[in-house]
Amino acid sequence: AQRVTQPEKLLSVFKGAPVELKCNYSYSGSPELFWYVQYSRQRLQLLLRHISRESIKGFTADLNKGETSFHLKKPFAQEEDSAMYYCALSEGSARQLTFGSGTQLTVLP
Amino acid sequence: GAVVSQHPSWVICKSGTSVKIECRSLDFQATTMFWYRQFPKQSLMLMATSNEGSKATYEQGVEKDKFLINHASLTLSTLTVTSAHPEDSSFYICSATVYYGYTFGSGTRLTVV
Repeated sequence: AQRVTQPEKLLSVFKGAPVELKCNYSYSGSPELFWYVQYSRQRLQLLLRHISRESIKGFTADLNKGETSFHLKKPFAQEEDSAMYYCALSEGSARQLTFGSGTQLTVLP
Repeated sequence: GAVVSQHPSWVICKSGTSVKIECRSLDFQATTMFWYRQFPKQSLMLMATSNEGSKATYEQGVEKDKFLINHASLTLSTLTVTSAHPEDSSFYICSATVYYGYTFGSGTRLTVV
């Protein structure tokens, strides 16, 4: 059973428009959730973790346990936000990360 | 921040040969490292979890005799793809747990011809 679901493989928005990347999870315990970003030809970088509740590069994500969601939002998208975004769930005694399938965000000029 | 150095960044090998991929934690000690495989336009799939000084734990469906993992020190984990075949061609990524979550290597593009 898929534990992390990102329903959109591709998402395009215009510069300055709001953007929301969806993530739903399935986990029986208290989840530890992350958003990672992978810019072209670069390694995966941590964007957000729900525990820290901080905003990075204008992105925020709120954990909604009732809806089992951890959607990533930004009010005004920038062209440099174009990248692959992965939602991930940490689980298990070794804290393995389970990744969603990723969403390729393209911000159009 | 904590950095994991992964080498080589790409490698081409002949079918039947073995390839070793290294991941080093540069400024911290990595008790646990994870190895992922990523197919084109797909997500990262966890292959195995390696703990320093003990045997790696492999995910279901991953052949441990084919993908040998060694984590002999707190700063080095290696993945050896033995008797590589074209279907082993993929992007391999290592990761280590750090205080803020996880840090990732830059990945190794393996092409088996």
